[in-house]
Amino acid sequence: DGGITQSPKYLFRKEGQNVTLSCEQNLNHDAMYWYRQDPGQGLRLIYYSQIVNDFQKGDIAEGYSVSREKKESFPLTVTSAQKNPTAFYLCASSKDTSNQPQHFGDGTRLSIL
Amino acid sequence: DAKTTQPTSMDCAEGRAANLPCNHSTISGNEYVYWYRQIHSQGPQYIIHGLKNNETNEMASLIITEDRKSSTLILPHATLRDTAVYYCIVRPLGAGTALIFGKGTTLSVSS
Repeated sequence: DGGITQSPKYLFRKEGQNVTLSCEQNLNHDAMYWYRQDPGQGLRLIYYSQIVNDFQKGDIAEGYSVSREKKESFPLTVTSAQKNPTAFYLCASSKDTSNQPQHFGDGTRLSIL
Repeated sequence: DAKTTQPTSMDCAEGRAANLPCNHSTISGNEYVYWYRQIHSQGPQYIIHGLKNNETNEMASLIITEDRKSSTLILPHATLRDTAVYYCIVRPLGAGTALIFGKGTTLSVSS
């Protein structure tokens, strides 16, 4: 089935460690996005990418990094510089960045040990 | 801040139509209205979107008023699986425009 796959579903990180969250899509979408959701809150944009080898910062990019080496993949690294990384991370993709809707994966829940 | 206003919660009997209202009185001419829903601990699910004409798909119908200041999402025959938080979002065209999720409406469908 076509869709967006995020892994792992749950992730635990020790203080000072970098962790990478995986996002893969087989929808042949050009644009991909990373959001963060905190309990009882809306989604906030971390990074987005319109095409391969290009990405832009969103509203809360500090402490995060991304890469877009392949159209299907848009991994997110949560670095040790992110002081409050515990959250629900959601990856989305859309055909392009016009009015086409964004479709979401099922998320990765990151917790600090 | 979200540019939409929705009721905090609504109830609906199984098998009946669920009509979820949304106010977006400051919407601009190039902004689309999107509806998503989110079940706890899952990613948001896209439902439908539109600019000014009414839209229908296999999940729902979207009715947008002529002045575009409000809209209604209609689930024609609600089931227990439709229990979720429903978000109405306005979004302009263009790169990097994030979806701004507000508080949404918690729809509870009961038998």
